[in-house]
Amino acid sequence: EVQLVESGGGLVQPGGSLRLSCAASGFTFPAHWMSWVRQAPGKGLEWVANIKEDGSVTSYVDSVKGRFAISRDNAENSLYLQMNSLRVDDTAVYYCAKGYAVAARDYWGQGTLVTVSS
Amino acid sequence: QSALTQPPSASGSPGQSVTISCTGTSSDVGGYNYVSWYQQHPGKAPKLMIYDVSERPSGVPDRFSGSKSGNTASLTVSGLQAEDEADYYCSSYAGSNDLVFGTGTKVTVL
Repeated sequence: EVQLVESGGGLVQPGGSLRLSCAASGFTFPAHWMSWVRQAPGKGLEWVANIKEDGSVTSYVDSVKGRFAISRDNAENSLYLQMNSLRVDDTAVYYCAKGYAVAARDYWGQGTLVTVSS
Repeated sequence: QSALTQPPSASGSPGQSVTISCTGTSSDVGGYNYVSWYQQHPGKAPKLMIYDVSERPSGVPDRFSGSKSGNTASLTVSGLQAEDEADYYCSSYAGSNDLVFGTGTKVTVL
């Protein structure tokens, strides 16, 4: 059974940093692109970042470029999101998602809430 | 990286059909056959319903179908059931390994 379990969310002040983790199991983690997708309270889904199977290629939504970094450890079946210079509008539930076909995401974690507030 | 445009709401009675549109540009929806659709119930994670415009993952009922014409993709839910009441989001490949999601549509079963 595929499982994605996010952790690391919490309350942080504006300008602060947080590192999210996603533990993957039940599938061949090194064989799939992975993504982070977020959802602000009461709002829609927003793609945040993608990372290629071997970690050699990453991409980001413009609003987080230069502040967030996606990475992975294929030996540990883990995905990460380092978030720096956090802003109030980064407040959201952050989901990790498994890549499927070219651009679909077929399994999602339960999400971890990041709240940026003073 | 502008969000794809979806109608805020759609509705239908049980057994009827509802179609949701998803409008983008030639840089995303119109440029690639990589449109996906997700269903999200309140407080739950999204669920993949359609990928590559019209393909259904294993386990998704054939009441769900997808199509695309130009810069607009569509999701049709036929034979509406109470459990289909949810938020639906489209997503498209946008080039350079980027993705973009739609604004979301709340489907109500009357």
